Amino acid sequence: DTGVSQDPRHKITKRGQNVTFRCDPISEHNRLYWYRQTLGQGPEFLTYFQNEAQLEKSRLLSDRFSAERPKGSFSTLEIQRTEQGDSAMYLCASSLEQAQNEQYFGPGTRLTVT
Amino acid sequence: GIQVEQSPPDLILQEGANSTLRCNFSDSVNNLQWFHQNPWGQLINLFYIPSGTKQNGRLSATTVATERYSLLYISSSQTTDSGVYFCAVERSWYGNKLVFGAGTILRVKS
Repeated sequence: DTGVSQDPRHKITKRGQNVTFRCDPISEHNRLYWYRQTLGQGPEFLTYFQNEAQLEKSRLLSDRFSAERPKGSFSTLEIQRTEQGDSAMYLCASSLEQAQNEQYFGPGTRLTVT
Repeated sequence: GIQVEQSPPDLILQEGANSTLRCNFSDSVNNLQWFHQNPWGQLINLFYIPSGTKQNGRLSATTVATERYSLLYISSSQTTDSGVYFCAVERSWYGNKLVFGAGTILRVKS
């Protein structure tokens, strides 16, 4: 039983560039979440999908951020025109609605914007 | 939204010692999870415990839902227990998302 996977694990980009991250959830999980974690803080919710529908977005998710889950399986998170303040760990989690909704996290993508 | 407070913020233990970490939350919850974040940033599930008591080896957890707190017990601590411990809660009224506390940084010395 494979866990949640994320790609890439690390990304260094220059300010103003666009970046895209991918998350593959646990195969039978219908819910997928994105969180962001900055140094010394707990993860903060960004958005979540139930199957292919994006059901909630945090106010943290500015217009430069977009997330998709086109076929209800993997998801992508794109950040356009990156800023230094976007530097953080981006975490993906998945859960099965029918199974208590316990969330399982991937290893994260660490983004550094120079 | 719901507030989650963890204490203590930092804890230093000698190997073999026991410890108790606390999580207080401001509203009733549907879900409460404890995680251990390792040095590489991976969040490892420890317990799903919206109420009651569970044990897993040297770790155990208790949630008293009516009083809005949860405790994580670590017995006979080992250096590999070092890291950050997070409590996270979900209340469906606020959406199906986890709200995390700020964490407890645990350092176990040999």
